[in-house]
Amino acid sequence: EVHLVESGGGLVQPGGSVRLSCAASGFTFSKFWMHWVRQAPGKGLVWVARINNDGSVATYAGSVKGRFTISRDNAKNILYLEMNSLRAEDAALYYCAREFGGPTVVSDYWGRGALVTVSS
Amino acid sequence: SYDLTQSPSVSVAPGQTATITCSGDKLGDTHVSWYQQETGQSPVLVIYEDSKRPSGIPERFSASNSGNTATLTISETQAMDEADYYCQAWASNTMVFGGGTKLTVL
Repeated sequence: EVHLVESGGGLVQPGGSVRLSCAASGFTFSKFWMHWVRQAPGKGLVWVARINNDGSVATYAGSVKGRFTISRDNAKNILYLEMNSLRAEDAALYYCAREFGGPTVVSDYWGRGALVTVSS
Repeated sequence: SYDLTQSPSVSVAPGQTATITCSGDKLGDTHVSWYQQETGQSPVLVIYEDSKRPSGIPERFSASNSGNTATLTISETQAMDEADYYCQAWASNTMVFGGGTKLTVL
């Protein structure tokens, strides 16, 4: 069974940094592209970043480009999101999600999320 | 940037059919997926590639996509279907979500 478990969230000051992790199990992690998607309290889903299966290609939403970095360790089956220069509007529940694969980009499994709060 | 528009809310009586729409420019030219998110839970994929259901999703869930509108239809709606529903597409190298529709089963 596919499991994605996020960790690393918490309270961060504006301008600060935090790194989220997503531990994957139940599937061959190195074969799948992965995503981070966030959801502010009471708001909708917003895509953050995507990384290919070997970690060589990453794409980002415009709102985080240059501040966030998605990466992965296929030997450890872990996806990361390094978040720098955090702003109040970055506060959200951050989900990691597996990309299904096929003719389009869709996420078939999601973790429970890691909460990031940005406040002084 | 590409935008997907959903109505904020839809209400339906139990046993009736719920219809949730998602609109975007030439949306029919790309594939649309739909996610269900119950309160306090993670999103669950219910439709992908416009009309395909993942294993475990009831046949009551169906969808279509043509022109500028994608439609999610839930037949014989049950109380357990009450949730937020999001459409999603991949456009301009970006995963785009609609704003979500809250389905209330009266």
